[in-house]
Amino acid sequence: GDSVTQMEGPVTLSEEAFLTINCTYTATGYPSLFWYVQYPGEGLQLLLKATKADDKGSNKGFEATYRKETTSFHLEKGSVQVSDSAVYFCAHEGGTSYGKLTFGQGTILTVHP
Amino acid sequence: DAGVIQSPRHEVTEMGQEVTLRCKPISGHDYLFWYRQTMMRGLELLIYFNNNVPIDDSGMPEDRFSAKMPNASFSTLKIQPSEPRDSAVYFCASSPRRTGGTYGYTFGSGTRLTVV
Repeated sequence: GDSVTQMEGPVTLSEEAFLTINCTYTATGYPSLFWYVQYPGEGLQLLLKATKADDKGSNKGFEATYRKETTSFHLEKGSVQVSDSAVYFCAHEGGTSYGKLTFGQGTILTVHP
Repeated sequence: DAGVIQSPRHEVTEMGQEVTLRCKPISGHDYLFWYRQTMMRGLELLIYFNNNVPIDDSGMPEDRFSAKMPNASFSTLKIQPSEPRDSAVYFCASSPRRTGGTYGYTFGSGTRLTVV
């Protein structure tokens, strides 16, 4: 069935370090791909998205490129800040999951000053 | 728009009691989703509605859980009787017409349920 697998955390970085959180998916057809962020005590917020192969989603310095050949959608940021500390979720919608999002397990990111 | 509104934010109840969680989706959104989040299982989709009609309830854990959407602006998730293993954060989310995922979902702030 459709699924999303994320890099296991937690991830701990120093401020201004480079961030990569890996995400791969399995799905039939051409799903849309998303990254959501959850700050402590809050709901999930859409961070960025890509709806077709080779699209790059970007927001707040974060980027992710839809790689159909490797079925991946890795999240990157060149220089993280303390305020980026949160839980990050990769998700897809489409294929047999049309109309509903399938989430990865989440990756906890902690950024130290 | 005020976003997706959930109530209560926190609920503490005793085992065996009935619990009702509430959600008001964004006006004009035709899809409504209920998720449960725990450390052990992550985010699980419980049920979703389209135009107030339940489409997929395969994620509802058991008969103790039920969900309704009597109109486009209100949904409830009920647990009766509640058990300690139901302790989790329950999220409601809404989305516009099915568009192949273009818009994603808008989530509420969640209800943290503790069953003692």
